[in-house]
Amino acid sequence: KNEVEQSPQNLTAQEGEFITINCSYSVGISALHWLQQHPGGGIVSLFMLSSGKKKHGRLIATINIQEKHSSLHITASHPRDSAVYICAVSLIQGGSEKLVFGKGTKLTVNP
Amino acid sequence: GAVVSQHPSWVICKSGTSVKIECRSLDFQATTMFWYRQFPKQSLMLMATSNEGSKATYEQGVEKDKFLINHASLTLSTLTVTSAHPEDSSFYICSATPGTAYNEQFFGPGTRLTVL
Repeated sequence: KNEVEQSPQNLTAQEGEFITINCSYSVGISALHWLQQHPGGGIVSLFMLSSGKKKHGRLIATINIQEKHSSLHITASHPRDSAVYICAVSLIQGGSEKLVFGKGTKLTVNP
Repeated sequence: GAVVSQHPSWVICKSGTSVKIECRSLDFQATTMFWYRQFPKQSLMLMATSNEGSKATYEQGVEKDKFLINHASLTLSTLTVTSAHPEDSSFYICSATPGTAYNEQFFGPGTRLTVL
């Protein structure tokens, strides 16, 4: 079983829809990251959070440490939001940080 | 701010040759840089962690003699794939963090390696 599980694997939405991507993890973490990977492969860090909720523009990320669960929400989705969204957790092992990644959720927003 | 570049963005090489990939932090000093590999439709997998001026720490299953990492300065780390084989074909991504373990990582754009 992967340490980080994302759902759904694939998501297709119509422009304007509210999107939710879920991430569950099974280990103790120091932080959780949401990343966006575009078709060319480049990765952008969207959020790093260890508790509560963060908002940036149309993106909202929440985390529940007790339930080991995080969600990424996109309001008023747009075709340019089409990308792979990756959840990653920070583990501290042997005094150094390590990121463990989920397999990603491929989002397609149709006009 | 916080831009990380990689060079080259893509490379095609013959089996048996060596390929060097550079990762640079352009506007900050990177205490730690990470090298990842991503096979098609797979998660990113950490290959190694490098701290400036010290030897890299490799993840289990990653051959240190095959994937040579040099972090000679606070803004540059290099990954050399030695004696490349077709199974080394992958997308290699670096990231850098300006401070301690709890800092955000900034990712490079990646390098697509194809070994013929």
